[in-house]
Amino acid sequence: GAGVSQSPSNKVTEKGKDVELRCDPISGHTALYWYRQRLGQGLEFLIYFQGNSAPDKSGLPSDRFSAERTGESVSTLTIQRTQQEDSAVYLCASSFSSGGGASYEQYFGPGTRLTVT
Amino acid sequence: AQRVTQPEKLLSVFKGAPVELKCNYSYSGSPELFWYVQYSRQRLQLLLRHISRESIKGFTADLNKGETSFHLKKPFAQEEDSAMYYCALSVVRGANNLFFGTGTRLTVIP
Repeated sequence: GAGVSQSPSNKVTEKGKDVELRCDPISGHTALYWYRQRLGQGLEFLIYFQGNSAPDKSGLPSDRFSAERTGESVSTLTIQRTQQEDSAVYLCASSFSSGGGASYEQYFGPGTRLTVT
Repeated sequence: AQRVTQPEKLLSVFKGAPVELKCNYSYSGSPELFWYVQYSRQRLQLLLRHISRESIKGFTADLNKGETSFHLKKPFAQEEDSAMYYCALSVVRGANNLFFGTGTRLTVIP
């Protein structure tokens, strides 16, 4: 089957605009993660969804960032009033249900490259 | 707080030579450690994890709790090993959100 997909692949936006990034996880994966990778830096955890539980938002850098997930399917990451420091590659990953002892492999999407001018 | 350090941004070795990519971590509990790899024009993918104790594509990594290290090793590098390698840590088994190092770009010279 298809892997994790993300859209758009590239997004250029002006400072101050809002953007929405989309992630389609692998069917059957109940866990979904968003990461950010700034140039020259490692991946930075943003937010984690697990089934119907409340998301772990501990990695969101500011209240301009938010994310939603519909059931166990699509997720959108929204950045409001974008700033130049938001320029990065945003990666989405999904896995089978986590918890209970075993950590499951995360499958990554191709990423969305966001450029804020 | 947890932290993953990969001291080498770039590493070049000749084909057939041994390779070691260094990874150190800081975390007071018992972490789960991973190596992820990204080949050119491909997605980030899991290479191996310490609990599996496997050798994948000839690579191995041993968790050394005393030295808080999880170095990735291969005795004979191949050209197809050229890629970006990321060490990652999960602090709660099963919770899964990963903390990544900054990555090491490995180039294997023919």
